[in-house]
Amino acid sequence: DIQLTQSPSFLSASVGDRVTITCRASQGINNYLAWYQQKPEKAPRLLIYSASTLQSGVPSRFSGSGSGTEFTLTISSLQPEDFATYSCQHLHSYPITFGQGTRLDIK
Amino acid sequence: EVQLVESGGGLVQPGGSLRLSCAASGFTFTSYNFNWVRQAPGKGLQWVSHITSSTGAIYYADSVKGRFTISRDTAKNSLYLQMNSLRDEDTAVYYCARASRGTGDAFDIWGQGTMVTVSS
Repeated sequence: DIQLTQSPSFLSASVGDRVTITCRASQGINNYLAWYQQKPEKAPRLLIYSASTLQSGVPSRFSGSGSGTEFTLTISSLQPEDFATYSCQHLHSYPITFGQGTRLDIK
Repeated sequence: EVQLVESGGGLVQPGGSLRLSCAASGFTFTSYNFNWVRQAPGKGLQWVSHITSSTGAIYYADSVKGRFTISRDTAKNSLYLQMNSLRDEDTAVYYCARASRGTGDAFDIWGQGTMVTVSS
């Protein structure tokens, strides 16, 4: 099975900050990677697919990059509504797996 | 409105069974693949099962293989998860999620989730 490891697991930042979350795959997955945002008691929301394509309706301050085994999600200027948990997911093969999540809190 | 609505969760004893349903609306059900994803309290997301619309191919996570069965009813635009031999560790919110070719098979639409609690 392909394992995904996110770093950091917890991140404190302020409104207006630029933040980057990393997701590393245990083997190459080309660009078969997605990023999700989840707020408490809510379903996940798709932000990025195919590693770098912004989902319709997602603000342009979100961006994704990477290929192979290392990927990043960047939020260019944090807004109050961005404080949430972010998870990566690979879609390379079954079983699909998710990273453990990165909780982004307000500093 | 494009949406998925889960139902069927509840409290069940270890060893018991439960059937989850996911009703789809606002889009052509047969044009998409579907998944079940669960999230134990305070934990991360865990993929559970997938069904491919065109071929009927089915996949399961090892942790549920042989106990859970995914199925769909195209006449009712519904997805199901039959869960047997339930264990304490199956306690979680269960989400159904649509996988779209247009988003590289990423999960673009999610239901609100239904809570399954396995406890004596």
